[in-house]
Amino acid sequence: EAGVTQSPTHLIKTRGQQATLRCSPISGHTSVYWYQQALGLGLQFLLWYDEGEERNRGNFPPRFSGRQFPNYSSELNVNALELEDSALYLCASSLVGSWRWDYGYTFGSGTRLTVV
Amino acid sequence: AQKVTQAQTEISVVEKEDVTLDCVYETRDTTYYLFWYKQPPSGELVFLIRRNSFDEQNEISGRYSWNFQKSTSSFNFTITASQVVDSAVYFCALSDGYAGGTSYGKLTFGQGTILTVHP
Repeated sequence: EAGVTQSPTHLIKTRGQQATLRCSPISGHTSVYWYQQALGLGLQFLLWYDEGEERNRGNFPPRFSGRQFPNYSSELNVNALELEDSALYLCASSLVGSWRWDYGYTFGSGTRLTVV
Repeated sequence: AQKVTQAQTEISVVEKEDVTLDCVYETRDTTYYLFWYKQPPSGELVFLIRRNSFDEQNEISGRYSWNFQKSTSSFNFTITASQVVDSAVYFCALSDGYAGGTSYGKLTFGQGTILTVHP
């Protein structure tokens, strides 16, 4: 069974540009979560999508947005990039909405975004 | 607000030593899950263990064991007979609460402990 797949692996953008990161969940998983892991700041919750709807978002500005497609894959868009957006962006998926935490929460390998 | 504290920033041990990673958490929820994840240099977060707040039974799984004490809000993780391949960053995480079938889908992570196992 394929795991959570993220693309691209690395992305280099210039300040002010837009970045698009993609995530394909494990087959059958309907929920997708996004986290930011910036140096020195640990892992911060960004967004949760389930069945195509945004269910929750973390304490991030509106220029961080995303969507979930009918096949449950997801995109994270970061507009007007700033230097401090440089981070590892991790995606996770779960079988159902995470109120059933015992279904697990599987992470991908991440996209490393560098803003110059 | 939820909070997870991993007081140990870095731990260095020699192969075959036992090592315990500490985790203390804060939450007002009565039902929640606690997790340990491992992050090798490749970046992927690898799931290790999960414990429901109602289940304080401590278990051993291979070289891994954990000590969950709700009274002290601690969820410590032990690797027995450490190996070089155990070198990684280890994260403790706390789920938001769930009640009546709803949750906010969020994990709160500690800052991580860098474990280095020397041969």
